[in-house]
Amino acid sequence: SYELTQPPSVSVSPGQTARITCSGDALPKQYAYWYQQKPGQAPVLVIYKDSERPSGIPERFSGSSSGTTVTLTISGVQAEDEADYYCQSADSSGTGVFGGGTKLTVL
Amino acid sequence: EVQLVQSGAEVKKPGESLKISCKGSGYSFTSYWIGWVRQMPGKGLEWMGIIYPGDSDTRYSPSFQGQVTISADKSISTAYLQWSSLKASDTAMYYCARAVSGVVASYYFDYWGQGTLVTVSS
Repeated sequence: SYELTQPPSVSVSPGQTARITCSGDALPKQYAYWYQQKPGQAPVLVIYKDSERPSGIPERFSGSSSGTTVTLTISGVQAEDEADYYCQSADSSGTGVFGGGTKLTVL
Repeated sequence: EVQLVQSGAEVKKPGESLKISCKGSGYSFTSYWIGWVRQMPGKGLEWMGIIYPGDSDTRYSPSFQGQVTISADKSISTAYLQWSSLKASDTAMYYCARAVSGVVASYYFDYWGQGTLVTVSS
């Protein structure tokens, strides 16, 4: 079955830039999406179609794509950005799939 | 304002049946797909499947095909996720979410319900 691969954890100091990657063979053909999930809360969409930001999401969140890897970048990380982040895309049949998730720790 | 409100937490025994719900409001319920996502304790998100309430077209992830049933009643803007015989391994948080098409035949979730915790224990 199709898999999206994320690093289990990323750590960054406040004010620095966090980059979370997601790799998958179908990513050159399918868009990627990113969700933020804080403890005890439902996920929130933070990036759609590789690099688009929904209304209400801070400008410090951005997305990019290069070949089989997509990247979520959080510039000027704040303490409130500490959360789990999940990428999501689709396999060749259109069935959705999530990456395993990355825990972002703000030191 | 788009809202998805899910039914409350459930505690069930193995072998019992269960149907949980997700009521949509603030948008045209029949014009968007609705999906279900599983999150087992301490684990990541898993895509279960989606349904188009307008015509009940349903698509399951292979991992969940035959294990659950997704349905919808457009007359009351409500989607459902049901089990005929629960197992302890079904213990998880289940989220419903509104699905939007990214490209043809692929979807992402823009609004989420608050989640329904299902606990299956003897």
